[in-house]
Amino acid sequence: AQSVTQPDIHITVSEGASLELRCNYSYGATPYLFWYVQSPGQGLQLLLKYFSGDTLVQGIKGFEAEFKRSQSSFNLRKPSVHWSDAAEYFCAVGAADSSYKLIFGSGTRLLVRP
Amino acid sequence: NAGVTQTPKFRILKIGQSMTLQCTQDMNHNYMYWYRQDPGMGLKLIYYSVGAGITDKGEVPNGYNVSRSTTEDFPLRLELAAPSQTSVYFCASSPSSYEQYFGPGTRLTVT
Repeated sequence: AQSVTQPDIHITVSEGASLELRCNYSYGATPYLFWYVQSPGQGLQLLLKYFSGDTLVQGIKGFEAEFKRSQSSFNLRKPSVHWSDAAEYFCAVGAADSSYKLIFGSGTRLLVRP
Repeated sequence: NAGVTQTPKFRILKIGQSMTLQCTQDMNHNYMYWYRQDPGMGLKLIYYSVGAGITDKGEVPNGYNVSRSTTEDFPLRLELAAPSQTSVYFCASSPSSYEQYFGPGTRLTVT
């Protein structure tokens, strides 16, 4: 069965520091992968997606993610974190059927130190 | 363009009461989804719909029902509310792709 693991429940970084959030997936074929962000009290917003092609994908708000098939990973990165990036981040994989369902990881909460 | 709207934003129910969470989208999306979000658990799919008149169970459907009589609306019905249904509920829609658009959520407490 498909699954997504986000091993870090919380991460704290200082403003201006770089960020990497980890995501590992379980899926036999080439997956469709996503990162969503949820600001406090808000719904989820799509940051970026990977379907095929270039393994380094750019998203909104200066985020990028790299698909590594050999490691079954799709880690999210940002070179310099801003205080407004404090939020919860969810990695997701698209279900392997025609429903366009998403299977979400449990999320990583990012805290930003001034 | 309102996107996906959900009502109410907050609700407190007593055990055994029933209620309907409303979800409406104005993007003419065929696909709609209901999720619940519990702390530390990510989002779990309750029900989904691939078009008007078609619904199917997700990962955690017990205690819930849905209907999809129009493209725009996808209400979620809770019958006989239980404390285990205390959660934040999100509705989402998709234009026949994996990119889902989420509503702001409904925070439900059952006591």
